[in-house]
Amino acid sequence: DAGVTQSPTHLIKTRGQHVTLRCSPISGHKSVSWYQQVLGQGPQFIFQYYEKEERGRGNFPDRFSARQFPNYSSELNVNALLLGDSALYLCASGTGVYEQYFGPGTRLTVT
Amino acid sequence: QKEVEQDPGPLSVPEGAIVSLNCTYSNSAFQYFMWYRQYSRKGPELLMYTYSSGNKEDGRFTAQVDKSSKYISLFIRDSQPSDSATYLCASNSGGYQKVTFGTGTKLQVIP
Repeated sequence: DAGVTQSPTHLIKTRGQHVTLRCSPISGHKSVSWYQQVLGQGPQFIFQYYEKEERGRGNFPDRFSARQFPNYSSELNVNALLLGDSALYLCASGTGVYEQYFGPGTRLTVT
Repeated sequence: QKEVEQDPGPLSVPEGAIVSLNCTYSNSAFQYFMWYRQYSRKGPELLMYTYSSGNKEDGRFTAQVDKSSKYISLFIRDSQPSDSATYLCASNSGGYQKVTFGTGTKLQVIP
């Protein structure tokens, strides 16, 4: 059974640009969460979606947005990129909040 | 003060040793406690989760939660070089509340 997949694997963007990251959950999982992990730190919660509705939001600016599609895949969008947005962006899917399975992440570098 | 505190290490132990990894938390509403293992440049992998206080064992791994002291522990018996990774503790209050991670402890098991 395939795990959580994320695309792209790596991405280099310039300050001020916009980026879209994509996530496909494990088959049967209806919950998708997004996290930002800066080097040397634990993941920071950005969003959680369940059945296409936003169920939780972390302390991130409005430049960050997300959505979940009818097939439960998800997109994370970040506008007006800053240098500080450089991080590993992780997607996790699950059947509940605590039992989450992470994908390999998308490494975003903002120059 | 961070809601979940974790010593970043690094922690080096000889192969076969018992490893003790610890976290403290400050949010009394936390009910679910998780441990993740993260290899370099990979997404976190869920090892175990527990609800409220108590112990949970899975093979060489034992998770302990003491809610009275707000202390979370993970014990690894007969440690192996393949256990070398960063271990992240995480907690949340249930439902669709955000999951809060510690910074992670880097463990190295020396053959």
